[in-house]
Amino acid sequence: NAGVTQTPKFRILKIGQSMTLQCTQDMNHNYMYWYRQDPGMGLKLIYYSVGAGITDKGEVPNGYNVSRSTTEDFPLRLELAAPSQTSVYFCASSYRLNTEAFFGQGTRLTVV
Amino acid sequence: DAKTTQPPSMDCAEGRAANLPCNHSTISGNEYVYWYRQIHSQGPQYIIHGLKNNETNEMASLIITEDRKSSTLILPHATLRDTAVYYCIVRVEGRNDMRFGAGTRLTVKP
Repeated sequence: NAGVTQTPKFRILKIGQSMTLQCTQDMNHNYMYWYRQDPGMGLKLIYYSVGAGITDKGEVPNGYNVSRSTTEDFPLRLELAAPSQTSVYFCASSYRLNTEAFFGQGTRLTVV
Repeated sequence: DAKTTQPPSMDCAEGRAANLPCNHSTISGNEYVYWYRQIHSQGPQYIIHGLKNNETNEMASLIITEDRKSSTLILPHATLRDTAVYYCIVRVEGRNDMRFGAGTRLTVKP
């Protein structure tokens, strides 16, 4: 098992550009999460999904969109990149509500 | 909104036990307590979780008070590699998400 895989690892965007952060897991997990982590801060939940076709907002959803068309994939879309979205983004998955979550290694995004 | 309170930082001598406290006084009866850690800028790593009883695995022990309003994560023999930010997480009843607080930055010193 590869676990949770995030691509790309690093990306620099210009203000106003758009991009999709990819997240895929091969553990047949139902729950998937997207977090952002600003320098020196904790993780903030952006969006989450409890299964294919179901997504919900977290703490900081503005400026982002998600979809969950398959169990494996949970991409995060930035439509109009802003400097405030400079952060490290982590994707995670878990099998059920009360089971351990596995995290990817993160995508470091810089918006200039 | 994370519903947990942890000290911002702690030090521990290498080889000694590290005891990390967490207050979760508003925990509901069916919510678990989870602990994760984040080493440097890596993705968080699951450590342990529990409901009522004390739990132990190869990484750590989790002691939950009888009233479940607080818990302590114990690393029995801390090493330099245990230096990390440790997060105590309690899910909010009725929510399906997992939210992190600020955590405790543990520094293990030689």
